[in-house]
Amino acid sequence: EAGVAQSPRYKIIEKRQSVAFWCNPISGHATLYWYQQILGQGPKLLIQFQNNGVVDDSQLPKDRFSAERLKGVDSTLKIQPAKLEDSAVYLCASSLVGGRVNEQFFGPGTRLTVL
Amino acid sequence: AQKITQTQPGMFVQEKEAVTLDCTYDTSDPSYGLFWYKQPSSGEMIFLIYQGSYDQQNATEGRYSLNFQKARKSANLVISASQLGDSAMYFCAMRAIQGAQKLVFGQGTRLTINP
Repeated sequence: EAGVAQSPRYKIIEKRQSVAFWCNPISGHATLYWYQQILGQGPKLLIQFQNNGVVDDSQLPKDRFSAERLKGVDSTLKIQPAKLEDSAVYLCASSLVGGRVNEQFFGPGTRLTVL
Repeated sequence: AQKITQTQPGMFVQEKEAVTLDCTYDTSDPSYGLFWYKQPSSGEMIFLIYQGSYDQQNATEGRYSLNFQKARKSANLVISASQLGDSAMYFCAMRAIQGAQKLVFGQGTRLTINP
């Protein structure tokens, strides 16, 4: 079974530029998550989708971050314009709906450096 | 609101020894799940073990066991017979059983296994 795919793996941009990250979840997983992990910290949820609807985006800086999940499969996270403090690893995860454990499966992440 | 606290920034253990990684939590949710994830230097989060708040027994998965003390709100991870490949960051996380499924993570503990 293929895991969660993310691209690119690394991205370096200058502040005020825009950037986009792509995520392809595990086939059949209805729920998709984007987390931001700043160096030395645990991941923090940015946005959660179930199919193509948003479940939780309370911690998404909506003035600069946006995300979409067209057709309930792939997802794109965009930052425009980027700030220095956006330097982090952006992790995508997916999970099934229901089940006792319902663990989240994570992709390899995209490491963003904003100069 | 949910909160996870991991008070050990780093742990150093000799190979083949057992190690306990501490995790305390706080939540007002009546039902919740507790998770441990491993994050090697490659960056991917790997699910290790799950404990439900109403599970009668402590969870075990191979060399991993979870020492769950509900009254003390602690969910410590025990790794038996540590191996060099266990060197990584370890994150404790929790989520409510009802409602949004987002994971709330602690700050993590960096475990180093010495030969």
